[in-house]
Amino acid sequence: DAGVTQSPTHLIKTRGQQVTLRCSPISGHKSVSWYQQVLGQGPQFIFQYYEKEERGRGNFPDRFSARQFPNYSSELNVNALLLGDSALYLCASSLGQHGELFFGEGSRLTVL
Amino acid sequence: GESVGLHLPTLSVQEGDNSIINCAYSNSASDYFIWYKQESGKGPQFIIDIRSNMDKRQGQRVTVLLNKTVKHLSLQIAATQPGDSAVYFCAENTGGGFKTIFGAGTRLFVKA
Repeated sequence: DAGVTQSPTHLIKTRGQQVTLRCSPISGHKSVSWYQQVLGQGPQFIFQYYEKEERGRGNFPDRFSARQFPNYSSELNVNALLLGDSALYLCASSLGQHGELFFGEGSRLTVL
Repeated sequence: GESVGLHLPTLSVQEGDNSIINCAYSNSASDYFIWYKQESGKGPQFIIDIRSNMDKRQGQRVTVLLNKTVKHLSLQIAATQPGDSAVYFCAENTGGGFKTIFGAGTRLFVKA
């Protein structure tokens, strides 16, 4: 079975631009969470979506938004990019709202 | 507030020895704890979990210990192998389960 897939794997943007990152969960998983991982740090929670509804949000500005589609895939959008948004963005899926997270390999965003 | 931290940023062990990675948490209301392993260029991978109604849980070569009195979590790896070299994160699932908080991580080096 396919694991969590994320796209793109790498991308470079300039300050002020907007980016959309995509995630496909493991088949049958209804929950998707997004995390930001800055180099040398642990993943920081951004959002969780379950059954297409936002269930939780971390301490990130409104420039960050996300949504979950009827097929449970998800997009993370970041507007007005800042240099500090450079990070590895991880998507994780889980069967339900709680429990073990299955991570993708991430999207590496570089903001110049 | 909520926080999950680690006592040591790096740990170096000899191949074949046992490894112990420690973690402290501050949210006494947390009821679910997880250890993840992250290899270079990959997303975190689930190792083992434990619920707050347990003190110890064993897996294959790994054991997690939970001491709720002092809010301490540890991961023991038996007969450490070169393939165990990675960054290890403890994570705490907050009440409601929608947000998993990660610590900063401990990098484990295994010397041959």
